[in-house]
Amino acid sequence: DAGVIQSPRHEVTEMGQEVTLRCKPISGHDYLFWYRQTMMRGLELLIYFNNNVPIDDSGMPEDRFSAKMPNASFSTLKIQPSEPRDSAVYFCASIRGLAGASEQFFGPGTRLTVL
Amino acid sequence: GEDVEQSLFLSVREGDSSVINCTYTDSSSTYLYWYKQEPGAGLQLLTYIFSNMDMKQDQRLTVLLNKKDKHLSLRIADTQTGDSAIYFCAEFRTGKLIFGQGTTLQVKP
Repeated sequence: DAGVIQSPRHEVTEMGQEVTLRCKPISGHDYLFWYRQTMMRGLELLIYFNNNVPIDDSGMPEDRFSAKMPNASFSTLKIQPSEPRDSAVYFCASIRGLAGASEQFFGPGTRLTVL
Repeated sequence: GEDVEQSLFLSVREGDSSVINCTYTDSSSTYLYWYKQEPGAGLQLLTYIFSNMDMKQDQRLTVLLNKKDKHLSLRIADTQTGDSAIYFCAEFRTGKLIFGQGTTLQVKP
């Protein structure tokens, strides 16, 4: 397995544009998390899915953010319209089981810059 | 408080031991974790400890847990330059992993 795959690795866009971040989790993992990392706020949980179903999206900052997981092998995080304050590194994490799971892997992240 | 707290920076010399401290919030947290993040990379799970344990050792890593004080520490023996990274502690609370702000470990040759 190639691990958690995220694309793109870097995205530079202008304010107001739509941004779509993609994540391919590890096969067989039943939980998928989206995190955002900034210097100011550290690591923030945005949303997580269990068996493709969104369980907790209370961390999604605004209605401009949406996430989907149409199947077990793919998830997207969309920002529309994007704003400069959305600039951050967005991580996807794939976990088998939940608490205490030693099988948890983070993707390399997507570095988003909104000008 | 509501936050998982860590000191922001630690500097050690190569070969010394490093101790990174963390204070968590929920005494009912079942699992506590340590992660390592190298520049430009995602987080890598280093180790974790179940709340009914006081200590866990894994090669050069030793995790100590003081449930009474809600204090977690990570000791790295014989610290190497390759250990330079940001280290995050996290607690599993209300179905989520809640992270500290990370401790930057600088290892001087």
